[in-house]
Amino acid sequence: EVQLVESGGGLVQPGGSLRLSCPASGFIFSSHWMTWVRQAPGKGLEWVANINQDGSDTYYVESVKGRFTISRDNVKNSLYLQMNSLRAEDTAIYYCAPWSDSGGWFDTWGQGTLVSVSS
Amino acid sequence: DIQMTQSPSSVSASVGDTVTITCRASQDISSWLAWYQQKPGKAPKLLVYLASRLQSGVPSRFSGSGSGTDFTLTITSLQPEDFATYYCQQANSFPLTFGPGTKVDIK
Repeated sequence: EVQLVESGGGLVQPGGSLRLSCPASGFIFSSHWMTWVRQAPGKGLEWVANINQDGSDTYYVESVKGRFTISRDNVKNSLYLQMNSLRAEDTAIYYCAPWSDSGGWFDTWGQGTLVSVSS
Repeated sequence: DIQMTQSPSSVSASVGDTVTITCRASQDISSWLAWYQQKPGKAPKLLVYLASRLQSGVPSRFSGSGSGTDFTLTITSLQPEDFATYYCQQANSFPLTFGPGTKVDIK
């Protein structure tokens, strides 16, 4: 059974930092592109960042470029999102997900971790 | 960036109805489109990928069609468990983008 368990969310002041983690199991982690998607309270889904299998290629939504860093550890089967210079508009549930074998969509999701940025 | 739009933004329907949701991409994405269902407090669930392929385990009352810029998700014989919000997502190029969602609620 595929499992993704996001953690690391919480309440942080504007300008602060958080590091999200997503240990994965039940699939060959090192074979999959991985993604972070977020959802602000009451809003739609927003793709945040992507990383390829060996971590050599990363992609970000414009609004987080220079502030967020996606990374992975294929030995620990874990995905990470380092979030710096957090803003109120980063408040959201953050989900990690592997790319499907068939393309850039997501057939497995974690339960998400809530990041709240507020003073 | 490829912009995704959906219509309608919400629809009220009854059990047994057929509901059609439209998704439009701002440029040609071939068939690189997926549809998700999301219920309150839950993660999204993949329904359709590659525009028309039904994800394993998804009931056959769901179907997707289209290519290029115009796509549809059709739910025939709506069931009580189908009341949810539906999102399209393009996977043609980065940044990946989602539509704003269509809420299907009970009439």
